[in-house]
Amino acid sequence: KQEVTQIPAALSVPEGENLVLNCSFTDSAIYNLQWFRQDPGKGLTSLLLIQSSQREQTSGRLNASLDKSSGRSTLYIAASQPGDSATYLCAVISGNTGKLIFGQGTTLQVKP
Amino acid sequence: EAEVAQSPRYKITEKSQAVAFWCDPISGHATLYWYRQILGQGPELLVQFQDESVVDDSQLPKDRFSAERLKGVDSTLKIQPAELGDSAMYLCASSYSSGDYNEQFFGPGTRLTVL
Repeated sequence: KQEVTQIPAALSVPEGENLVLNCSFTDSAIYNLQWFRQDPGKGLTSLLLIQSSQREQTSGRLNASLDKSSGRSTLYIAASQPGDSATYLCAVISGNTGKLIFGQGTTLQVKP
Repeated sequence: EAEVAQSPRYKITEKSQAVAFWCDPISGHATLYWYRQILGQGPELLVQFQDESVVDDSQLPKDRFSAERLKGVDSTLKIQPAELGDSAMYLCASSYSSGDYNEQFFGPGTRLTVL
């Protein structure tokens, strides 16, 4: 059974700092991995999707990497801003139905 | 920009009452998902549709939950009767297909509180 873990559960950093969020999964046979952002009480916003054949994806200040063999992904946020404060969730698709299996999320606070 | 629509955004009900949530996916998206997210946890899939057919409802509590997507477009999720433990955020998502490249787009969710 696929399990997804995100560490740390919460993170507080000063504005301008570069930071890394971690995601690990137990079954390396995944189709793709998706990173989401969730603001309090809101739905999920897709940030990046990495296909199983890819190693990384970039969007603006965000860079996500994928290492299937070790069952790990990282989300790198450059030059963090207070507006980046949110919960970040990673999810994998490991079955052919497309079902996403989520981690518990990392709640990020960026202090001005 | 195309978005997944959900209503209502908030619902407060008493236990044993019936509630229903509605979702309209992005136009052209054949696959529709209902997820439930308990506070502080990641979402978990309740049911997945491919067009009007159920693909996966293995985690749907079928004694009280039902879901339909009659014309393969919008969908309704119903709970009857609601229980205290059903308090959660109910999220709808859609994707163009369920194949390898399967970016899912989520709606704003319905926050359910059962008293």
